[in-house]
Amino acid sequence: EAGVAQSPRYKIIEKRQSVAFWCNPISGHATLYWYQQILGQGPKLLIQFQNNGVVDDSQLPKDRFSAERLKGVDSTLKIQPAKLEDSAVYLCASSLDMADPQYFGPGTRLLVL
Amino acid sequence: SQQGEEDPQALSIQEGENATMNCSYKTSINNLQWYRQNSGRGLVHLILIRSNEREKHSGRLRVTLDTSKKSSSLLITASRAADTASYFCATEAFYNQGGKLIFGQGTELSVKP
Repeated sequence: EAGVAQSPRYKIIEKRQSVAFWCNPISGHATLYWYQQILGQGPKLLIQFQNNGVVDDSQLPKDRFSAERLKGVDSTLKIQPAKLEDSAVYLCASSLDMADPQYFGPGTRLLVL
Repeated sequence: SQQGEEDPQALSIQEGENATMNCSYKTSINNLQWYRQNSGRGLVHLILIRSNEREKHSGRLRVTLDTSKKSSSLLITASRAADTASYFCATEAFYNQGGKLIFGQGTELSVKP
């Protein structure tokens, strides 16, 4: 069974630029999550989708971050404009349904200069 | 804010020894999960223990949960060099039925051959 796919794996941008990350969850998984993990800390949930609807986006900085999951499968997370403090690893995870164990992708390491 | 706090922050042991990591949390939970993260394989789900369970085993892993003390421990027996990784506890709060997890800051385990 293929795991959660993410791209790109690494990205370096300058502050105020925009960036987008892509995630393809495990086939059949209804729930998709985006996490931000700053160095030395645990992952922090940014947004959770159930199929193509948003379940929780309470910790998403909506002035600069946006995410969508069209057709309830792939998802993109965008940052515009980026700030230095956005430097982190962005992890995508999926689960069969809400409250099931989550399977994580390899992450995208973002560096904002 | 992060709900779980792991203790110790870092742990170094010799191969063959047991490793114990502790997690404390603040609010009532539905379940508590342990994840492992290393550079090679990303974040991997290890074990889930529900609020009405006190102990759970999976291979060399043993997890205990004390809801009265709001704490959990992860024991890895007969450790191997391949167990070197960061270990995170994550809690699903009682008031949340959607699977949202709050991660702690992690324990960095180093197993020396």
